[in-house]
Amino acid sequence: DTGVSQNPRHKITKRGQNVTFRCDPISEHNRLYWYRQTLGQGPEFLTYFQNEAQLEKSRLLSDRFSAERPKGSFSTLEIQRTEQGDSAMYLCASLGPGSNQPQHFGDGTRLSIL
Amino acid sequence: SQQGEEDPQALSIQEGENATMNCSYKTSINNLQWYRQNSGRGLVHLILIRSNEREKHSGRLRVTLDTSKKSSSLLITASRAADTASYFCATDAIQGAQKLVFGQGTRLTINP
Repeated sequence: DTGVSQNPRHKITKRGQNVTFRCDPISEHNRLYWYRQTLGQGPEFLTYFQNEAQLEKSRLLSDRFSAERPKGSFSTLEIQRTEQGDSAMYLCASLGPGSNQPQHFGDGTRLSIL
Repeated sequence: SQQGEEDPQALSIQEGENATMNCSYKTSINNLQWYRQNSGRGLVHLILIRSNEREKHSGRLRVTLDTSKKSSSLLITASRAADTASYFCATDAIQGAQKLVFGQGTRLTINP
């Protein structure tokens, strides 16, 4: 079990630029989640994949955000035309089959918008 | 928006003492989970308690769940400096994608 891996760990970019984050879940986990966490707050759900299908999106996920999981393995989260308010930690979690299982989180990508 | 509240928001105790954190939530749940987060890191799963369970233990951790009051507590006994972290409760609703809804967390500081 190599755990959930996220890259990059840190991203600093200028406002208006596009950024893309990657998440590699635990290999046998078919469910993948993205969360956003701002300073001093708990994580908030962004979107959910079961295999390659994106099944749920939060209203937090504006049209500048897009997520993919093309082959049901790794996932990417892209933010276009970044804004100051996008500065946050973006966390990925994966979940195996069955109910009442814990989600396994990566160490996140810290995004800072200059 | 957050599911519920955690209490206290911050807690500072001496090493060796016990720490108790509380969590309240709003909707019917499938289970409730507690996570720890060290500064700048991801969340580490501590304990999952199902809605039909009332108490669960894991090492120095004890979790209780009262579904009638929609509340849970996490007790850490014989605290250590390494327990310094933020602790979050998260609920998994009965219906939906098993997405987690987190509280705002309790910042725990253990003083040596």
